[in-house]
Amino acid sequence: GENVEQHPSTLSVQEGDSAVIKCTYSDSASNYFPWYKQELGKRPQLIIDIRSNVGEKKDQRIAVTLNKTAKHFSLHITETQPEDSAVYFCAASISGSARQLTFGSGTQLTVLP
Amino acid sequence: DGGITQSPKYLFRKEGQNVTLSCEQNLNHDAMYWYRQDPGQGLRLIYYSQIVNDFQKGDIAEGYSVSREKKESFPLTVTSAQKNPTAFYLCASSIGIVSFGNEQFFGPGTRLTVL
Repeated sequence: GENVEQHPSTLSVQEGDSAVIKCTYSDSASNYFPWYKQELGKRPQLIIDIRSNVGEKKDQRIAVTLNKTAKHFSLHITETQPEDSAVYFCAASISGSARQLTFGSGTQLTVLP
Repeated sequence: DGGITQSPKYLFRKEGQNVTLSCEQNLNHDAMYWYRQDPGQGLRLIYYSQIVNDFQKGDIAEGYSVSREKKESFPLTVTSAQKNPTAFYLCASSIGIVSFGNEQFFGPGTRLTVL
């Protein structure tokens, strides 16, 4: 089955700096890669996703890049703000798979004021 | 917050007792899922259901059971066979297959503590 590894497990940045979280996946059949943000005590919420037919996607301060050859994808947050502090999860989904998503272990991002 | 509700928010049970966690959605979603969240381990899939009266085991189904008698409801029973049941349980739903780009929405979660 699919295996998703996520690094780093914790990340601290100064407000205004950029943050990068990286994930690797094992199954080349995976074709959909969402990122979820989970604030303390709240439910995970989708913040951005990318499909395997594109290499990069941006949404304001958030971007995701995908390298299919190397089987890794990354989340980039620019101009970080204190409200970006949360746990971020990457996930991968194999095309047509009913089981849906395999999640990474999460990254605790702390933005220091 | 997406129309998925879980109850209760906090649940305490004695060791050896079965306990059922509720998950209801009013989004008219076909697919529903149960995840377990432990510190540092991300979300692990317990069971999932694509359609009423059908469900499949995920990665950590041992000691758990589910039913899907109604489209809106997907209750999870944590049985006494589950060796380490204390965790945060998240229910989710999606309108269809996620790999086709359908977003998976999560409920607020239930924190189960077994004493």
